[in-house]
Amino acid sequence: SQQGEEDPQALSIQEGENATMNCSYKTSINNLQWYRQNSGRGLVHLILIRSNEREKHSGRLRVTLDTSKKSSSLLITASRAADTASYFCATAADAGGTSYGKLTFGQGTILTVHP
Amino acid sequence: EAGVAQSPRYKIIEKRQSVAFWCNPISGHATLYWYQQILGQGPKLLIQFQNNGVVDDSQLPKDRFSAERLKGVDSTLKIQPAKLEDSAVYLCASSLDIVGNQPQHFGDGTRLSIL
Repeated sequence: SQQGEEDPQALSIQEGENATMNCSYKTSINNLQWYRQNSGRGLVHLILIRSNEREKHSGRLRVTLDTSKKSSSLLITASRAADTASYFCATAADAGGTSYGKLTFGQGTILTVHP
Repeated sequence: EAGVAQSPRYKIIEKRQSVAFWCNPISGHATLYWYQQILGQGPKLLIQFQNNGVVDDSQLPKDRFSAERLKGVDSTLKIQPAKLEDSAVYLCASSLDIVGNQPQHFGDGTRLSIL
């Protein structure tokens, strides 16, 4: 079953605008990761935020994590046509027990940035 | 560093036939994953290896799917016999650690079509 649920399912914006994608999850996590997937390609890791962190930045990316609400958001600022892709959140379960830090992916958000 | 290599990129077979996929992870990565990604969904973990041992195969349909990782490096995933619902992209990923604290690196996948 999918752990993360992303919202919106699809997002269409103009170049230069900001894009915000949200992810909700159900169980306790060790960390949450965001990945990008271009059409016909594999997933590329963007950013990892640990359960004891609230915000993280990487270039034009900003990720927030609210463990009390079991939710995360990914903000892409000043978007470019090259940012057009599917974006997935993935949760790594607590390493205790037998989960072995298994990553569970959401359904993804399809982002289209128009030039 | 060289990325995760997968072959073939595309495969078309008829139902009830068998098929095999190959993956070469990033050098030094102990953990290797096989995912199934159905169109419009996020990747679903099929099996996770650490070195040449299986640590999670709970979602692998063992009546038809098998996987091995000889010598803790390359891995093969086999489907025999294939069903129509096996049409998907099969992604291989590797990671330095087992508990999910490091990002996973993905290959570009094998797109399987069942006729």
